[in-house]
Amino acid sequence: EIVLTQSPATVSLSPGERATLSCRASQSVSSYLAWYQQKPGQAPRLLIFDASNRATGIPVRFSGSGSGTDFTLTISSLEPEDFAVYYCQQRSNWPPTFGQGTRLEIK
Amino acid sequence: HVQLVESGGGVVQPGRSLRLSCAASGFTFSSYAMHWVRQAPGKGLEWVAVIWFDGNNKYYTDSVKGRFTISRDSSKNTMYLQMNSLRAGDTAVYYCARDPHITAAGGLFDYWGQGTRVTVSS
Repeated sequence: EIVLTQSPATVSLSPGERATLSCRASQSVSSYLAWYQQKPGQAPRLLIFDASNRATGIPVRFSGSGSGTDFTLTISSLEPEDFAVYYCQQRSNWPPTFGQGTRLEIK
Repeated sequence: HVQLVESGGGVVQPGRSLRLSCAASGFTFSSYAMHWVRQAPGKGLEWVAVIWFDGNNKYYTDSVKGRFTISRDSSKNTMYLQMNSLRAGDTAVYYCARDPHITAAGGLFDYWGQGTRVTVSS
């Protein structure tokens, strides 16, 4: 199965700053990569699908890029509600797999 | 609006069984593949199983093959996960999730339930 490695494990930033989260796949997943946000005690929420497409209702400050094995989730200007754990997920090969997550915390 | 509500979780002894349910509303349930995804305490997300829109195709992660069975009843807009021979390693919050691809499963999860907690312990 495809292994996704996210970096960094934890990032500390302040509201208003730019966040850049990375996800690397053990083999090419083409553009079949998604990003999810999970807050404590809540279910994950789909943010980005197929590398760069925002899901319904997701603010424009969230953007995704990349293809093949290297992907990035960018939050252009952090809002207080953006501090959460972010997971990448591939659907290129079965089974679908997730990265281990990046925790975005308030500095 | 799309709503998914899981139920059936609880505390169960190793080796015993449990059946989870996922009640769906706000969309045409019979047109979409559905998944179970779990999250062990303090850990990341792990895909568990998928069932095609018509119930004719089902796939499982290796660790649950032969023990878990996914099914659906479109007359009740409900999906199930029958979990047998439970192990401590199955302890997790179990989420049901919709796949946005019509009929076939594309391996994407666009709507999630709130989850139901399963604890396997003696």
